[in-house]
Amino acid sequence: AQSVSQHNHHVILSEAASLELGCNYSYGGTVNLFWYVQYPGQHLQLLLKYFSGDPLVKGIKGFEAEFIKSKFSFNLRKPSVQWSDTAEYFCAVNANNAGNMLTFGGGTRLMVKP
Amino acid sequence: NAGVTQTPKFQVLKTGQSMTLQCAQDMNHNSMYWYRQDPGMGLRLIYYSASEGTTDKGEVPNGYNVSRLNKREFSLRLESAAPSQTSVYFCASSEATSWDRSNYGYTFGSGTRLTVV
Repeated sequence: AQSVSQHNHHVILSEAASLELGCNYSYGGTVNLFWYVQYPGQHLQLLLKYFSGDPLVKGIKGFEAEFIKSKFSFNLRKPSVQWSDTAEYFCAVNANNAGNMLTFGGGTRLMVKP
Repeated sequence: NAGVTQTPKFQVLKTGQSMTLQCAQDMNHNSMYWYRQDPGMGLRLIYYSASEGTTDKGEVPNGYNVSRLNKREFSLRLESAAPSQTSVYFCASSEATSWDRSNYGYTFGSGTRLTVV
């Protein structure tokens, strides 16, 4: 079964700093990759997704992620964070042998200081 | 508004009590899921229903049962609650299968925060 690792559990940044959150998965076959965001007290919302094609994916709110197949990674980036980006971020993987199932990483809690 | 509705939003149970968490979606999705969210562990799949009439165990099914009542509704039951089941529970639904990539994705409910004392 596939697994997803997010190595940064807590990240604290100042506004305007650049962000990169790591995500690695363990599955050798074809995967679909996702980043979800959960703002305080809210449900998960989709930030971006990758299925195929250009490995650099752009999502909402200025976020982007790069799929590096050789590293089994799908890191999330944002050039300049805002206080409103304070949230928990989850990486998720759907393997092509898992039907519609998503496997989630443990999450990274981001705090942006004004 | 179209989406996934969960009830209740908050619940406190005593050890050994039972309860059912309700989930309904109005998007005509085929697949529905129950996850629990615990600090540092992300979301873990409890049960899922790929289509009406079918249910299957996920990663952490022990202590839970589910019912896919119809296409819209998917309930999660705790028969005898334990403190280890204190968590936030999320229901989700999805329409397209993962090979219909343009439409594939989950829609989540707003969650149920359950405390077992």
